[in-house]
Amino acid sequence: NAGVTQTPKFRVLKTGQSMTLLCAQDMNHEYMYWYRQDPGMGLRLIHYSVGEGTTAKGEVPDGYNVSRLKKQNFLLGLESAAPSQTSVYFCASSGMRYGYTFGSGTRLTVV
Amino acid sequence: AQKITQTQPGMFVQEKEAVTLDCTYDTSDPSYGLFWYKQPSSGEMIFLIYQGSYDQQNATEGRYSLNFQKARKSANLVISASQLGDSAMYFCAMRDDNAGGTSYGKLTFGQGTILTVHP
Repeated sequence: NAGVTQTPKFRVLKTGQSMTLLCAQDMNHEYMYWYRQDPGMGLRLIHYSVGEGTTAKGEVPDGYNVSRLKKQNFLLGLESAAPSQTSVYFCASSGMRYGYTFGSGTRLTVV
Repeated sequence: AQKITQTQPGMFVQEKEAVTLDCTYDTSDPSYGLFWYKQPSSGEMIFLIYQGSYDQQNATEGRYSLNFQKARKSANLVISASQLGDSAMYFCAMRDDNAGGTSYGKLTFGQGTILTVHP
């Protein structure tokens, strides 16, 4: 099925560990986004990309890095995880006037 | 800067009744889009309805309608004939479609409203 695939779906990290979340889309969308969802705060934009090889900071970029080496993939990295990064992470892509496709989310716990 | 406010942390409605979820927004751009998403307990984000700032009529999609009051900067979601399956978190979101083209489709979300439908 066409859409946005996020891996992994769940992960538990120890403070200081690193990890990479992968987002893959097969709709040839130009724009891709990483959001985090925390209770009472909705979804907040971490980083986004407007095309292959480009990335930009969103509202809450600190502690995260991203890369978009291929158009279909958008990677979110945590170099040194902190408990404050415990959250649900959503990737989304967009290619039409108002069409967004969201992944199913990654639930990350940092202990 | 754009801002979306949902002032109702939780709402309750009886099955088959209508319910309105509030959303107010703030932007200085004349061109923007407003969205509503549903997030059931399973966690996925489900698109419900869209309203463009220049659309003359309120958007409707089945049992969902968007009560767009531009002067008041509000974009309330109305769900008619509520069903048990409507119980979920609902997010209002906005995208600035500014003339300079630098918004890049970024969505700004509200805090969300948890809707519970009682039988």
